[in-house]
Amino acid sequence: KAGVTQTPRYLIKTRGQQVTLSCSPISGHRSVSWYQQTPGQGLQFLFEYFSETQRNKGNFPGRFSGRQFSNSRSEMNVSTLELGDSALYLCASSGGTGAEAFFGQGTRLTVV
Amino acid sequence: QKEVEQNSGPLSVPEGAIASLNCTYSDRVSQSFFWYRQYSGKSPELIMSIYSNGDKEDGRFTAQLNKASQYVSLLIRDSQPSDSATYLCAVNLPSGTYKYIFGTGTRLKVLA
Repeated sequence: KAGVTQTPRYLIKTRGQQVTLSCSPISGHRSVSWYQQTPGQGLQFLFEYFSETQRNKGNFPGRFSGRQFSNSRSEMNVSTLELGDSALYLCASSGGTGAEAFFGQGTRLTVV
Repeated sequence: QKEVEQNSGPLSVPEGAIASLNCTYSDRVSQSFFWYRQYSGKSPELIMSIYSNGDKEDGRFTAQLNKASQYVSLLIRDSQPSDSATYLCAVNLPSGTYKYIFGTGTRLKVLA
């Protein structure tokens, strides 16, 4: 059974640019949630999608957005990048028999 | 007050000893509790989930939940150097969604 796949693994962007990250959940899972992890703040919840609907949103500015497709794959977009957006972005897949979340390998974003 | 609190450590234990990791949470209605292990530069890996009061054992790992006192703990028996990692505690509220609140993690060092 394939795990959670995130692409790309690494990104380097310039301030002011935008970026799109992708996540394919475990087959059969309908929920995808996104987290930002930085050394100072730990894992911070961005948003959760379930069956193409955003059900929860964390306390992040509107520059952070996402969407989910009918095949449960999800994308996250960050516009007008700032240096502080440099982080590990993690996608979690849920919706199996329990309430567990399973993480992808993450996308390491560096903004210069 | 943070929603999920963990001692940042590092917690140092000798090889073969029991490592005890603790986590407290603020929201009394929290229903699902999880422990993740995260190696440096890697994504979090689910170790244990626990949903009801008491102990849950899986190999060398035992999760303990006390909802009245709002704490959850993880015991690692016969600790190995390969257990050296950051351990994240996560809580899921009973909102019917997959939104998880994470502690900032406890760094464990197992000394050979």
